[in-house]
Amino acid sequence: DAKTTQPNSMESNEEEPVHLPCNHSTISGTDYIHWYRQLPSQGPEYVIHGLTSNVNNRMASLAIAEDRKSSTLILHRATLRDAAVYYCILRDNSGGSNYKLTFGKGTLLTVNP
Amino acid sequence: SAVISQKPSRDICQRGTSLTIQCQVDSQVTMMFWYRQQPGQSLTLIATANQGSEATYESGFVIDKFPISRPNLTFSTLTVSNMSPEDSSIYLCSVVLRGETQYFGPGTRLLVL
Repeated sequence: DAKTTQPNSMESNEEEPVHLPCNHSTISGTDYIHWYRQLPSQGPEYVIHGLTSNVNNRMASLAIAEDRKSSTLILHRATLRDAAVYYCILRDNSGGSNYKLTFGKGTLLTVNP
Repeated sequence: SAVISQKPSRDICQRGTSLTIQCQVDSQVTMMFWYRQQPGQSLTLIATANQGSEATYESGFVIDKFPISRPNLTFSTLTVSNMSPEDSSIYLCSVVLRGETQYFGPGTRLLVL
């Protein structure tokens, strides 16, 4: 699986936007970019995913660089509930391992009141 | 989304014993997975639970240590056999319900003394 690189930790203030970066310079054409987050003492939770175009949903936005070698998860207004570990994961959409997820260390987001 | 429950939610076990963890989903799903999250670490995929056939294990995990059953499309079990303190982890099941999203259970917290 192609690897991703994320900062170990980031801090934000409540009600401000948060931009969580992810580098994936070895991404292949069939890799989807997925973001999950894990709140304290819970299982991971799906946030968003995309292939080439920017994506928006009720939780967040995903901005994908034109060369696809990096992406940014955007939380438009951080709340205390958004404090979690955020994982950027590349999922290979080819072959028989379609749905496997390989988790890295992720980014620990702290939200200050 | 899928509602996933795991039993037990936590347990404390003696070394040399075995524990079976159950994962129940409220709808039929095609793919089910089992992950392990060791203390302070990220998630590691143990195996894919295949309905009606043997599970597919990832490198470093074997059937004798982590036997898995999946008798139908809504239920799976993971057994942690002959436990040692190194098996102390959170064990999580996940499912693919539609398309590309994985939904995770709340996890089973295991402490082996």
